[in-house]
Order: sequence, then C-alpha cells, then structure tokens
Amino acid sequence: DAGVIQSPRHEVTEMGQEVTLRCKPISGHNSLFWYRQTMMRGLELLIYFNNNVPIDDSGMPEDRFSAKMPNASFSTLKIQPSEPRDSAVYFCASSSPGGNSGGASYNEQFFGPGTRLTVL
Amino acid sequence: KQEVTQIPAALSVPEGENLVLNCSFTDSAIYNLQWFRQDPGKGLTSLLLIQSSQREQTSGRLNASLDKSSGRSTLYIAASQPGDSATYLCAVDNYGQNFVFGPGTRLSVLP
Repeated sequence: DAGVIQSPRHEVTEMGQEVTLRCKPISGHNSLFWYRQTMMRGLELLIYFNNNVPIDDSGMPEDRFSAKMPNASFSTLKIQPSEPRDSAVYFCASSSPGGNSGGASYNEQFFGPGTRLTVL
Repeated sequence: KQEVTQIPAALSVPEGENLVLNCSFTDSAIYNLQWFRQDPGKGLTSLLLIQSSQREQTSGRLNASLDKSSGRSTLYIAASQPGDSATYLCAVDNYGQNFVFGPGTRLSVLP
C-alpha cells in the first residue's frame, strides 16, 4: 500500500480564495482524521470520520472550514474563504478498524505527508 | 480537558547514549497512547502504540512504557544514533472523543 496520500503537497493562495485539500486513506482503514500543525499550537485534531461519518468536528476552528468523506477512499477539507491565519501544515491520518462502536479506532494512526498551506 | 505535556522540550546527546523521553497526561481515562517521530518538514511516523491495558511495548531499540494511574509514559531509546535525531511526539486517545498530542521533544544525537 502507498500509505496515506495527500494532495497538493504545497498550496499558496491569496486571502479570500477557496482552498481544497484532499486525502486518500490506506485501503481498508475505516477511520480518517484531519489535523493542523502550527508552531504556536502544535498538532490539533480538526475532525475525524468513522465509516465515512463525521464523529467529532469540535476541533474545526470556524464555519469557514468544512470536511467531507463521500466514500471510504476519499476525503476533502475545504477552507472558504481562506485567511492568513489558516497558514499551517494540514495532515490526514487513517487507522484500521477496532475499538468502541461509534468511536475512533484504537489501532495505530498512519499519517500522510501533509499539505503545507500558505495564505498570503 | 485532556492536556499532554512532554519533557524535555529539547535534548542533545552524544551518539551511543541511552535516553528517556517523558510524556504526561492529565486524564487517565485513555484508550491508548501512541508515540511518533517527525523529521523536519515531514509527516509523522508511528513508532509504538500502547493500549490502556498494556504496560509497555518494544520495537528494536525503542521501548515505551505506560502508567495510566500516574498519567505518564516514557519512551526509552537505547544506544542512540544520529539517525534518531527528530522530534518525538506522544498522543493520547480519549476513547474516541478526542486525540490530543503533546508539543514534542526535539532530539539531536551528535556523532
């Protein structure tokens, strides 16, 4: 397996533009996570899905952020409109089945290489 | 609210030394704890995962222990090598309610 795939790897955009980040989890994994990493705040969980259903989006900073998982092999994180303070590295991770029903898996999380977003 | 801290924030050691990285968490009701390494400009690589019912896990020169009651985990690296230089992060899973990462320990192993 190629691991978790994210695209694009780098994104530079201007304030106010829409940004869409993409993630393909590891085949067979049923939990998917979106994280944001900044120097100031470290790694923060934004949202996670279990079986394509959003379970916890309490980490999503504001309404400008939205995430979807239309099927088991694809997820998007959208920022509209983008702002300079959204500049960060966005990671996607996936994990294999297990754990509490309706909760996230207890198995290992595997991370993608990240998307470095710069909003000017 | 779960809080995760890591000590030290940075560590520099000569090659060959054994070292210990510390992770503390405030809420002991965790499902598992996972250790990662992150190389500069890269993603996170999973090192070890300890489930709440386990006390330790080993992989090669790495050994991670977990003491839930005291809210602590340690990552022991034996015979450190320059290739071990990276940032090491621990993360706790609060029964699927949230995943919280520590700030990391930046390790430099000098040849």
